[in-house]
Amino acid sequence: AQTVTQSQPEMSVQEAETVTLSCTYDTSESDYYLFWYKQPPSRQMILVIRQEAYKQQNATENRFSVNFQKAAKSFSLKISDSQLGDAAMYFCAYAPEYGNKLVFGAGTILRVKS
Amino acid sequence: GAGVSQSPRYKVAKRGQDVALRCDPISGHVSLFWYQQALGQGPEFLTYFQNEAQLDKSGLPSDRFFAERPEGSVSTLKIQRTQQEDSAVYLCASRGQMNTEAFFGQGTRLTVV
Repeated sequence: AQTVTQSQPEMSVQEAETVTLSCTYDTSESDYYLFWYKQPPSRQMILVIRQEAYKQQNATENRFSVNFQKAAKSFSLKISDSQLGDAAMYFCAYAPEYGNKLVFGAGTILRVKS
Repeated sequence: GAGVSQSPRYKVAKRGQDVALRCDPISGHVSLFWYQQALGQGPEFLTYFQNEAQLDKSGLPSDRFFAERPEGSVSTLKIQRTQQEDSAVYLCASRGQMNTEAFFGQGTRLTVV
């Protein structure tokens, strides 16, 4: 069974600084998708960034980028120039290539200090 | 509608009561998922529909949990004889046929007292 582990229950960052959230996963599949979701207090999951396992290039979306290490089964999220609006719960998630359900980690609370 | 809509947003149920949670997916989305999110935890998969067919219900925790999507659009998650451990946020997500991204609703927070 696939598992996703987020070892940092809580992280803090100063506004305008950079922070990295960690995620490791376990799977025997060779093709799959990895995601980072943001969940603000409104509870709605918002997709931040997506990575296809067959792509070697790390995904980037504006201030958000990932460090995908397939051999190490590691998928960290880097947030540059942190903003107050980035404060939320962040979840790492895995989905198999042709499957449907997402497997989530336990989440990391990100606090942004002004 | 523009997004996934869930109702009610909050539900308080007395232990033993039956509840029904509704999900309106994005129009035209074929796939629909239900997840259960306990306080301070990540969401856990409950069940999955493709159109009206329930293709995977492996995550339903007990036979008190039942989900349906009779016309391939709106879905209802029903919990019979609610227990305190059922207290959680129930999230619904829908996905278009050729899109790997699932869009989530704001969830229903169920509190069983």
